[in-house]
Amino acid sequence: SQTIHQWPATLVQPVGSPLSLECTVEGTSNPNLYWYRQAAGRGLQLLFYSVGIGQISSEVPQNLSASRPQDRQFILSSKKLLLSDSGFYLCAWSVGLWEVTLHFGNGTRLTVT
Amino acid sequence: RKEVEQDPGPFNVPEGATVAFNCTYSNSASQSFFWYRQDCRKEPKLLMSVYSSGNEDGRFTAQLNRASQYISLLIRDSKLSDSATYLCVVNIGGGGSGNTPLVFGKGTRLSVIA
Repeated sequence: SQTIHQWPATLVQPVGSPLSLECTVEGTSNPNLYWYRQAAGRGLQLLFYSVGIGQISSEVPQNLSASRPQDRQFILSSKKLLLSDSGFYLCAWSVGLWEVTLHFGNGTRLTVT
Repeated sequence: RKEVEQDPGPFNVPEGATVAFNCTYSNSASQSFFWYRQDCRKEPKLLMSVYSSGNEDGRFTAQLNRASQYISLLIRDSKLSDSATYLCVVNIGGGGSGNTPLVFGKGTRLSVIA
């Protein structure tokens, strides 16, 4: 069966520090991968999606970036965190692009201080 | 107007009550509609799709009114375990491959009280 792993679960980082969140999927090949952010009082916001290795699409311009170095690995990064980057970051995968059933990871709760 | 709007709640209801959540969407071209459930500090999970004819899954009933651009979720005989945030989700495309991103509402929080 397919599983998605996301880490770390919780992170507290100072403003201006770098960020690296990692997500891996097991049990499926060539998944469509997504990074979402859920900030307090806001809905789920799509940040990036990827249909294949090295293929990244950005939905919202910001100081975050994403990379997909391997088929089932998706990384979210930042060189310098802002206070507004605080939130709940969720990695997800689906078989088809924009499919109804998104399989989310457990999420990373990021607090920028 | 926001793309997907929901009453944030919280809805505090006693066990056994019937509760209804509403959701409105702004894009009349939207074709697919869903409800996701998100437990506190957890990831969202698909609860059910919403079909034009309405659909039922046990104690849960989802309905769509395209003319009013309105979706609803009805929970009958509420259980303590129903306490969660319910997210309304809309897809402009048909829900299959090659369409558009899912648009999530902010969610409606439900607390079922013993």
